[in-house]
Amino acid sequence: LAKTTQPISMDSYEGQEVNITCSHNNIATNDYITWYQQFPSQGPRFIIQGYKTKVTNEVASLFIPADRKSSTLSLPRVSLSDTAVYYCLVASGGYNKLIFGAGTRLAVHP
Amino acid sequence: GAGVSQSPRYKVAKRGQDVALRCDPISGHVSLFWYQQALGQGPEFLTYFQNEAQLDKSGLPSDRFFAERPEGSVSTLKIQRTQQEDSAVYLCASSSAGTLGEKLFFGSGTQLSVL
Repeated sequence: LAKTTQPISMDSYEGQEVNITCSHNNIATNDYITWYQQFPSQGPRFIIQGYKTKVTNEVASLFIPADRKSSTLSLPRVSLSDTAVYYCLVASGGYNKLIFGAGTRLAVHP
Repeated sequence: GAGVSQSPRYKVAKRGQDVALRCDPISGHVSLFWYQQALGQGPEFLTYFQNEAQLDKSGLPSDRFFAERPEGSVSTLKIQRTQQEDSAVYLCASSSAGTLGEKLFFGSGTQLSVL
């Protein structure tokens, strides 16, 4: 199973762009990279998913280099409501079994 | 609503009691997962169902934990003879297909406290 490594915590300020990088050195050919967001007292919520290059949606962008050994979640112009834990996951097992790490705790300050 | 529903939202049990946690997945979703989340940690995989078949129970911590999904929709996670170390949030998630890359939808969880 591909293991992911990401920073334990990050701090930012309202209006700034936040980039969270995740390492997954032994990612398999068929694995997707997925990011989830979790607020206190809620379950994780899907943010974005990609396989290679760049993916963008209304919430975030995901950058994946050609070797796919890392990925970067980019949150443009964060607000206080973006304070949450962000998980980088690599889907494995053939049926989308997600293995969560400890995640990155993002704190956005006024 | 159209999301994953879990009940009860909070459960307090005395050590040694049996508990049952319910998950109502999104209608039509084939795949259902249970996760356990300790305070300050990421969710840990417990078990996976595809329809009514339990295809992976490798994460269940002991034989006191049992999960079922008899009709391929609602699922119940049962914990027998609860211990203090069972205190955690139990999350249920569902997805529309058992294929790689499919988005998972999580419920808000059941917070279990064993006294």
